[in-house]
Amino acid sequence: DVKVTQSSRYLVKRTGEKVFLECVQDMDHENMFWYRQDPGLGLRLIYFSYDVKMKEKGDIPEGYSVSREKKERFSLILESASTNQTSMYLCASSPNLGRVGSYGYTFGSGTRLTVV
Amino acid sequence: QQQVKQSPQSLIVQKGGIPIINCAYENTAFDYFPWYQQFPGKGPALLIAIRPDVSEKKEGRFTISFNKSAKQFSLHIMDSQPGDSATYFCAASIEGGSQGNLIFGKGTKLSVKP
Repeated sequence: DVKVTQSSRYLVKRTGEKVFLECVQDMDHENMFWYRQDPGLGLRLIYFSYDVKMKEKGDIPEGYSVSREKKERFSLILESASTNQTSMYLCASSPNLGRVGSYGYTFGSGTRLTVV
Repeated sequence: QQQVKQSPQSLIVQKGGIPIINCAYENTAFDYFPWYQQFPGKGPALLIAIRPDVSEKKEGRFTISFNKSAKQFSLHIMDSQPGDSATYFCAASIEGGSQGNLIFGKGTKLSVKP
């Protein structure tokens, strides 16, 4: 069964801490994404990556950075966590468009981050 | 131009009812329209998808209706069951461009009462 695995289901961090959220996929997908999900706001794209060491800003990149040193791993970094970054964080992956087969995103189960 | 507008925000139906969730878009270049289903504590999962060369697609009790001229598409759930209670997201993308990033609607929380 193909998977996107997020390292933590729940995290509680203090304001000002540096926070790492890890995501690993086993589908050899080229594209990886980080979203945050908040009630009434839906899924908002933070950063995405098309390839190793490549990254692109999404709609709400402020306060976040990412790292993709290996194809299967995409990390989201909160440089100095703040209370307004309390949210559900979802990682997703997808194949490149030219790949034969079904198209779509595969999501992880999410990390619920609370910043206190 | 890049938005996908989804309504309603929440929906309550009785078991056996047919909930309908609507989405509208502006960008006529969109050519792939998936729906995702998300249960509490889980990530969204692809439910069903349509491309604009067809007006309807059915998979089991789930049907997408697509109106290209109106730039609208909708999800119908036939004979809805309490197990269908979830949040549903519509989305759109341009498969030929920008790596096909999906643009998501804000979601509809569906509750099916027994």
